[in-house]
Amino acid sequence: DAGVIQSPRHEVTEMGQEVTLRCKPISGHNSLFWYRQTMMRGLELLIYFNNNVPIDDSGMPEDRFSAKMPNASFSTLKIQPSEPRDSAVYFCASSFDGGNTEAFFGQGTRLTVV
Amino acid sequence: GEDVEQSLFLSVREGDSSVINCTYTDSSSTYLYWYKQEPGAGLQLLTYIFSNMDMKQDQRLTVLLNKKDKHLSLRIADTQTGDSAIYFCAEISGGSYIPTFGRGTSLIVHP
Repeated sequence: DAGVIQSPRHEVTEMGQEVTLRCKPISGHNSLFWYRQTMMRGLELLIYFNNNVPIDDSGMPEDRFSAKMPNASFSTLKIQPSEPRDSAVYFCASSFDGGNTEAFFGQGTRLTVV
Repeated sequence: GEDVEQSLFLSVREGDSSVINCTYTDSSSTYLYWYKQEPGAGLQLLTYIFSNMDMKQDQRLTVLLNKKDKHLSLRIADTQTGDSAIYFCAEISGGSYIPTFGRGTSLIVHP
């Protein structure tokens, strides 16, 4: 398996624009996580899906953020409208609910909102 | 809620041992993890320990768990420049599949 695949790797956009980040989890994994990493706040959990269903979205900052998982092999995180304070590295991770429940991370998307 | 704390920076000389410490608050933690993040990359699992163990050794890595004090440590023997990275402590509680991560400790290895 190629691991968790995120796209794009880098995104630069203007304030007010819509941004969509994409994630393909590892085949067979049934949990998917979106994290945001900044110097100030470290690694923050935004949303957790289990079997394609959002279970915990308490970390989603505000209504400008939305996430979907239409099937087991694809998820999106959308920011509309984007703001400079959304600039961060966004990680998608997936895991299987069994054993040591290791989370496998993608390479991340570095988002810069100017 | 659950909390995982770790110091932000550690600087060591090449060849010395590094010890990265972590404390957590959830007494029902089942698995505790150490992840490594190299520059420009995602986190990658380095090692983990089950809560009924107090030590795990894997080549240069030694994990110690003090469940009474809710303290986890990672010792890296003979630290190399390639070990320079951010190390994250994480835990999962019984019945949950959501890992809680610490802020990460930046390990700087100098010659």
